[in-house]
Amino acid sequence: GEDVEQSLFLSVREGDSSVINCTYTDSSSTYLYWYKQEPGAGLQLLTYIFSNMDMKQDQRLTVLLNKKDKHLSLRIADTQTGDSAIYFCAESWTAGNKLTFGGGTRVLVKP
Amino acid sequence: GAVVSQHPSRVICKSGTSVKIECRSLDFQATTMFWYRQFPKQSLMLMATSNEGSKATYEQGVEKDKFLINHASLTLSTLTVTSAHPEDSSFYICSAGGQGTNTEAFFGQGTRLTVV
Repeated sequence: GEDVEQSLFLSVREGDSSVINCTYTDSSSTYLYWYKQEPGAGLQLLTYIFSNMDMKQDQRLTVLLNKKDKHLSLRIADTQTGDSAIYFCAESWTAGNKLTFGGGTRVLVKP
Repeated sequence: GAVVSQHPSRVICKSGTSVKIECRSLDFQATTMFWYRQFPKQSLMLMATSNEGSKATYEQGVEKDKFLINHASLTLSTLTVTSAHPEDSSFYICSAGGQGTNTEAFFGQGTRLTVV
């Protein structure tokens, strides 16, 4: 079955860049997503990328996709304390379909 | 983007009682809704896929008699946790896909269930 893996924890200083990594196994994954979850809250979609793209930039967020290696990353530029949260990558083989989530990366931004 | 409303956001119930959680798509027709469960400090695991007008498809290991799903209309799916026990305490979150959802599944706000 599908498997999505992420590192558990990332600590970064305010103002630095954060890079969160994700690997997946399903080669038929078409849509790859990054979600943010703050304590006690639901999921906020940050960005997504189609499998036929290798990069997508959206303000402070840059997504890189290496389809050959099935590796996805999210870079947050100029990380702020408000970026402290859990970040989930997820994959789906079709739009609006069920998602397979990674275990989540807890990002702690230190002042 | 499309809006999915989930209610209630928090619920505390006694062991043995049943709890119903609603998931509504407010501005689009959701032909399919998904129910996920998130244990503390863990990821989201798909419980079941709910298709309007038909029976839900449950993931392996999820008791269909325990977690009743009804998707009677294109805008509403409900999850009922029957005869709840403390081990059912969790964060439940729905997402909706279908007409009008061209790139993403839209998530509700989630429901934190505590069974005492």
